[in-house]
Amino acid sequence: AQSVTQPDIHITVSEGASLELRCNYSYGATPYLFWYVQSPGQGLQLLLKYFSGDTLVQGIKGFEAEFKRSQSSFNLRKPSVHWSDAAEYFCAVAPGYSSASKIIFGSGTRLSIRP
Amino acid sequence: DAGVIQSPRHEVTEMGQEVTLRCKPISGHNSLFWYRQTMMRGLELLIYFNNNVPIDDSGMPEDRFSAKMPNASFSTLKIQPSEPRDSAVYFCASSSRDNNQPQHFGDGTRLSIL
Repeated sequence: AQSVTQPDIHITVSEGASLELRCNYSYGATPYLFWYVQSPGQGLQLLLKYFSGDTLVQGIKGFEAEFKRSQSSFNLRKPSVHWSDAAEYFCAVAPGYSSASKIIFGSGTRLSIRP
Repeated sequence: DAGVIQSPRHEVTEMGQEVTLRCKPISGHNSLFWYRQTMMRGLELLIYFNNNVPIDDSGMPEDRFSAKMPNASFSTLKIQPSEPRDSAVYFCASSSRDNNQPQHFGDGTRLSIL
């Protein structure tokens, strides 16, 4: 069965510092992979997605993620965080034949920004 | 563009009462999803529809929960009778069934059952 693991429940980084949020998935074939962000009181917003092709994908708000098949990972990165990046981040995986079908979400990583 | 619209944004009611949550998906999207989010269990898929037909309701916790999608622009999630453990944020999301189209989420309904 497919699954997603986000090993870090809560991360605090200083404003301006670099960020990497970890995500590992378990799936037999190459899945569709996503990162979503959730600000307090709001729904999830798509940051970026990987379906195929270049393993380094660029998203909104200066985020990027790299798909590493050998490590079953899809880590999210940002070179310099801003205070407005404080939020909850969710990694998600979907079967490779349709991203509209059942998506499995990780448990989330809460990001706090130190002034 | 109008996103996924959910109503109400907040609902507080006493246990035993019927609760109805509403969702208007993005126009043209033909898949609709209901999720529940709690601190303890995270984000759980309750049910999803394709072309107004329920495809997978295995996440619906029990018979007190029901969901309908009478047409392509409207869906409801109903809890009857409600219980305090149903308190959560309920999200609706929609997407196109075309490949490579991700889900778009509404802002959720924060439900408190007293």
